[in-house]
Amino acid sequence: KQEVTQIPAALSVPEGENLVLNCSFTDSAIYNLQWFRQDPGKGLTSLLLIQSSQREQTSGRLNASLDKSSGRSTLYIAASQPGDSATYLCAVGNYGQNFVFGPGTRLSVLP
Amino acid sequence: GAVVSQHPSRVICKSGTSVKIECRSLDFQATTMFWYRQFPKQSLMLMATSNEGSKATYEQGVEKDKFLINHASLTLSTLTVTSAHPEDSSFYICSAATGQSYNEQFFGPGTRLTVL
Repeated sequence: KQEVTQIPAALSVPEGENLVLNCSFTDSAIYNLQWFRQDPGKGLTSLLLIQSSQREQTSGRLNASLDKSSGRSTLYIAASQPGDSATYLCAVGNYGQNFVFGPGTRLSVLP
Repeated sequence: GAVVSQHPSRVICKSGTSVKIECRSLDFQATTMFWYRQFPKQSLMLMATSNEGSKATYEQGVEKDKFLINHASLTLSTLTVTSAHPEDSSFYICSAATGQSYNEQFFGPGTRLTVL
């Protein structure tokens, strides 16, 4: 059974810092991995989707990497802004199965 | 493209009443829709998978008689929480898949249910 963990559970940084969010999964036979952003009381916004054959994806200030063999993915946020404050969820997709979500990292970027 | 809506966005009801939540794919046909539940400060947990025209498949521990799911068309799925109780208060999110792959899902904005 796939299990997904995220570290840290919460993070508070001053504006402008670069930061890394971590996601770990137990079963490396994944189809893809997706990072989402969730604002309080809102739904999910997809940030980056990495297929199992890829090692990283980039979108603007965001970069996500994937290391299947070690069961890890990182989300790198460059030059953080207060508007980046949200909960970031990692979701792992296994073949023929639904996503398994991690518990999330609550990020606060202080102005 | 690939927009999913939910209605209502927020609902408050008395204990014992039933609540219906709609999930619509606005610009695509969704053969499969998924319903998730999220308790405060916890991650999303899949409740059930619904395919158009057939019965929903429920995850272990989810009562199918309490959470009624109907997927009557390729653009609409409904979740009815029957005889709601305060412990059913949660954030309910749906997603829709455009094809056969579970891994190409688009998520709705969620519905906040509060049962008094």
